[in-house]
Amino acid sequence: GQQVMQIPQYQHVQEGEDFTTYCNSSTTLSNIQWYKQRPGGHPVFLIQLVKSGEVKKQKRLTFQFGEAKKNSSLHITATQTTDVGTYFCAGLSGGSYIPTFGRGTSLIVHP
Amino acid sequence: DVKVTQSSRYLVKRTGEKVFLECVQDMDHENMFWYRQDPGLGLRLIYFSYDVKMKEKGDIPEGYSVSREKKERFSLILESASTNQTSMYLCASMKWWVGDTEAFFGQGTRLTVV
Repeated sequence: GQQVMQIPQYQHVQEGEDFTTYCNSSTTLSNIQWYKQRPGGHPVFLIQLVKSGEVKKQKRLTFQFGEAKKNSSLHITATQTTDVGTYFCAGLSGGSYIPTFGRGTSLIVHP
Repeated sequence: DVKVTQSSRYLVKRTGEKVFLECVQDMDHENMFWYRQDPGLGLRLIYFSYDVKMKEKGDIPEGYSVSREKKERFSLILESASTNQTSMYLCASMKWWVGDTEAFFGQGTRLTVV
């Protein structure tokens, strides 16, 4: 079945540094979603990417979908302590309505 | 503003008990999901429902069943709770439209089976 791999598992940064998490799928995706989960909280939907090569921005967050629609990345510019949490990607393939989640990247920001 | 509500935040149950986890959404979404989340394993899909009375098994359905009698309510049932079902359970409700996707999770139920 479809597998979604996410790296790194953990990332420590100093406040103000940039951060990137990568998501790779074993199969071609129809779209990919990104979520953020704060410590002790529940996942919150951030965005969905659909088109090959698509790039979307939300303030300091930049989301990319690869040309082959098998990988994606989330980049945060100049991290802040409010960015702390675990970031999950979730891929959908074919006509499926079922997102397959990566294991997440936990971001720790040191002030 | 709460969109997906899970009936309990914390539950402690004994081995062998039948456990019901309830989830209600107020957005008229067709698609609802039950995931469990364990450290280092991410979110694993237990069951999925795309309409009333319709359900599909996810990746780890063993030991679980579900019920969707009304569109807004999706229940997860642990037929006979075991200690390896101690986990965080997350319900989600989603809508897919081109250019307009909505996805909301409940606050989670942390279940401990003793």
